[in-house]
Amino acid sequence: DAGVIQSPRHEVTEMGQEVTLRCKPISGHNSLFWYRQTMMRGLELLIYFNNNVPIDDSGMPEDRFSAKMPNASFSTLKIQPSEPRDSAVYFCASSLVMGHEQYFGPGTRLTVT
Amino acid sequence: KQEVTQIPAALSVPEGENLVLNCSFTDSAIYNLQWFRQDPGKGLTSLLLIQSSQREQTSGRLNASLDKSSGRSTLYIAASQPGDSATYLCAVPFPSNTGKLIFGQGTTLQVKP
Repeated sequence: DAGVIQSPRHEVTEMGQEVTLRCKPISGHNSLFWYRQTMMRGLELLIYFNNNVPIDDSGMPEDRFSAKMPNASFSTLKIQPSEPRDSAVYFCASSLVMGHEQYFGPGTRLTVT
Repeated sequence: KQEVTQIPAALSVPEGENLVLNCSFTDSAIYNLQWFRQDPGKGLTSLLLIQSSQREQTSGRLNASLDKSSGRSTLYIAASQPGDSATYLCAVPFPSNTGKLIFGQGTTLQVKP
């Protein structure tokens, strides 16, 4: 298996622009997670899905953030409008079932100027 | 609330040494505990997952132990090599029956040749 796939790997955008991050989980995995990593706050869970349904979005910082999972093989995390403080590395992870070992993608490094 | 702490934040050892990384958690009602490795600028690689019913889990030169009653886990690395240099993170799901991982801040290990 190719593992969790994320795109783009790097994104540089200007403040106010819309940013869309994409994730393809490992085939057959039923749970998908979006994390954000910063130097100040470390790794934080933003939202997670089980069987394509959002279960807990309490980590989403503001209404500017939204996530969707239209099918079992694709998820997006959207920021609109983006702000400089959104600059971070965003990771997607998946697991076979909730509570099992999580496998992380390579991340998307977002820079908002 | 679950808090995960890793001490020390950084560790430097000569090649060949056996070493122990520490992880502590405040709520002992955990479902499992996962150890990850993160190389600079890269994603997280799952090393070991230890279930709450287990005391130890081994993979190659790595051995993870879990003591729920004391809220501690250790990652033992035998015969360290320069290629082991990375940041090591531990994480527990909280609430315990979810996939919502709470991460420690990590221990950055440098193994000198």
